[in-house]
Amino acid sequence: ETGVTQSPTHLIKTRGQQVTLRCSSQSGHNTVSWYQQALGQGPQFIFQYYREEENGRGNFPPRFSGLQFPNYSSELNVNALELDDSALYLCASSSQGVIGGYTFGSGTRLTVV
Amino acid sequence: GESVGLHLPTLSVQEGDNSIINCAYSNSASDYFIWYKQESGKGPQFIIDIRSNMDKRQGQRVTVLLNKTVKHLSLQIAATQPGDSAVYFCAENANAGGTSYGKLTFGQGTILTVHP
Repeated sequence: ETGVTQSPTHLIKTRGQQVTLRCSSQSGHNTVSWYQQALGQGPQFIFQYYREEENGRGNFPPRFSGLQFPNYSSELNVNALELDDSALYLCASSSQGVIGGYTFGSGTRLTVV
Repeated sequence: GESVGLHLPTLSVQEGDNSIINCAYSNSASDYFIWYKQESGKGPQFIIDIRSNMDKRQGQRVTVLLNKTVKHLSLQIAATQPGDSAVYFCAENANAGGTSYGKLTFGQGTILTVHP
């Protein structure tokens, strides 16, 4: 497995619930970035993880949080889900300090009802 | 934050034509740009990138032009094929050479439709 893999592919949650999305980075990559893509729009940067710490954050509230593990895989957690959180959540991996090779996964489609 | 925008939301061409997709950016600190293709239900697929010390870069059937004076980026696709039909996004990265690599700002996208 050399590409970026995300799980699950689809998910339906109820407003107020919590969700965890998972991402395995591409082999050789040590940095993971998460994006939210609403229907008909471009992806919006949520945050980035490097060395198991958050390394920059976009304009998203604290109920969006994440983790990175020693094997560079990552989780995105969203608490207190709102209807507007319905979107495609994308994970991208890269190597810190190496420009190029920025690779996206296929995403997780989250629907909040 | 500053954003990247596209002039044309849709582009319709005939198979075999050349396509040009345009993008304007506003962050003068942007030093790395990427074009992505996104098909329905899939993640963005890398097409070509360019750093700010270049004004042109060519790939297979694709060329990216960067005009830093007017903060404009374009993607040219030669001999467009039906398989090129997708949404195309430009993305910019400010201070990519520093600690901000990988924090991309995307435009809203252009829908390219190629008719056989």
